Amino acid sequence: QKEVEQDPGPLSVPEGAIVSLNCTYSNSAFQYFMWYRQYSRKGPELLMYTYSSGNKEDGRFTAQVDKSSKYISLFIRDSQPSDSATYLCAMSEVPSGGGADGLTFGKGTHLIIQP
Amino acid sequence: SAVISQKPSRDICQRGTSLTIQCQVDSQVTMMFWYRQQPGQSLTLIATANQGSEATYESGFVIDKFPISRPNLTFSTLTVSNMSPEDSSIYLCSVADRAVADTQYFGPGTRLTVL
Repeated sequence: QKEVEQDPGPLSVPEGAIVSLNCTYSNSAFQYFMWYRQYSRKGPELLMYTYSSGNKEDGRFTAQVDKSSKYISLFIRDSQPSDSATYLCAMSEVPSGGGADGLTFGKGTHLIIQP
Repeated sequence: SAVISQKPSRDICQRGTSLTIQCQVDSQVTMMFWYRQQPGQSLTLIATANQGSEATYESGFVIDKFPISRPNLTFSTLTVSNMSPEDSSIYLCSVADRAVADTQYFGPGTRLTVL
């Protein structure tokens, strides 16, 4: 059974803090991992995408995957009020473009960055 | 990434009626997906829509309730039939573009309220 666990929050931190968002999963067949950001009344926006264990960095964002622990994280450095949004983790067993497979999502963590 | 638009952006409908949601992409894509996002819940895949073939539905979703069309590589529709208040949700289409990454990009969503 596909299942992804994600703390819904809200998570409130002061501006400039380092934010850590996490998801755990039970299906060891998941190989592709994504983080989406969703502002209120908007569609999810892709932030990070990775398919290997380890870290991937993009600006202030770092995605971390630990397949042995079935645990993924998203770190946001120097957080800004504009980072306030819901962050969704998602994963799949096969490349989403190559197979007839959708994404399995966590429920999302509502993040609030206090000015 | 592909630019995706959805129509309508929101609607309020009466019980027992049907609504067709349109998804338009600015480039040709192989895979299109339809998701539902209910309050407090994770995004749930309804079906995968491939051009030239029948849509593939996930467990719990049936073609009679959610008929889907995919007439070409840039367009798809999802119909929510014989609606009840339980169908009130955000409906999102997404596309997979392997030329960019093995992941999915989402439209802005259609917010549906059924009275």
